[in-house]
Amino acid sequence: GAGVSQTPSNKVTEKGKYVELRCDPISGHTALYWYRQSLGQGPEFLIYFQGTGAADDSGLPNDRFFAVRPEGSVSTLKIQRTERGDSAVYLCASSPRQGAPFGQFFGPGTRLTVL
Amino acid sequence: GIQVEQSPPDLILQEGANSTLRCNFSDSVNNLQWFHQNPWGQLINLFYIPSGTKQNGRLSATTVATERYSLLYISSSQTTDSGVYFCAGMEYGNKLVFGAGTILRVKS
Repeated sequence: GAGVSQTPSNKVTEKGKYVELRCDPISGHTALYWYRQSLGQGPEFLIYFQGTGAADDSGLPNDRFFAVRPEGSVSTLKIQRTERGDSAVYLCASSPRQGAPFGQFFGPGTRLTVL
Repeated sequence: GIQVEQSPPDLILQEGANSTLRCNFSDSVNNLQWFHQNPWGQLINLFYIPSGTKQNGRLSATTVATERYSLLYISSSQTTDSGVYFCAGMEYGNKLVFGAGTILRVKS
């Protein structure tokens, strides 16, 4: 079956611009997670959705970052006024439900480069 | 927050050799996953293993929850095993906290 998909795979933008990153979770998965991975480090948690609502957004670095999941499936991570420090790989993961005994399954990521 | 520590930080193996990677985690971790990140960046889910032992082909994992550690065993390593191995602890059913990873290089 299809795994988690993310688009675009690569995004190059200029400092100060707005970007949107999209995640399509595995069909039927109710839990969706966003992580960010900088070069040479492990992924770091950003935000978690259970259904349509953000259950935990404690990892968002500041108010330039926002994510939505309006219909409980596809999610969009939005970054306003991008900065060079936002450059990283943004990873999306899904799980059948919160705390499901299957773990989280990751997409291929979107590599964001802010010039 | 929860703490996840991995060792060794990097490892070079000759093809065919066996290896053991270790993950220590803090008290508040209640679930554990092992991942392999291949050279293209894809994170592959290897094991979901809060306790006990699981095996999948040449890979196996053991978590001793009472002693707060997990081990990943790779037997008869192949060049395709190269990449970064992460363990990640889950706190109360939501976010994963990743260790720094073990960089594995298997030479032919």
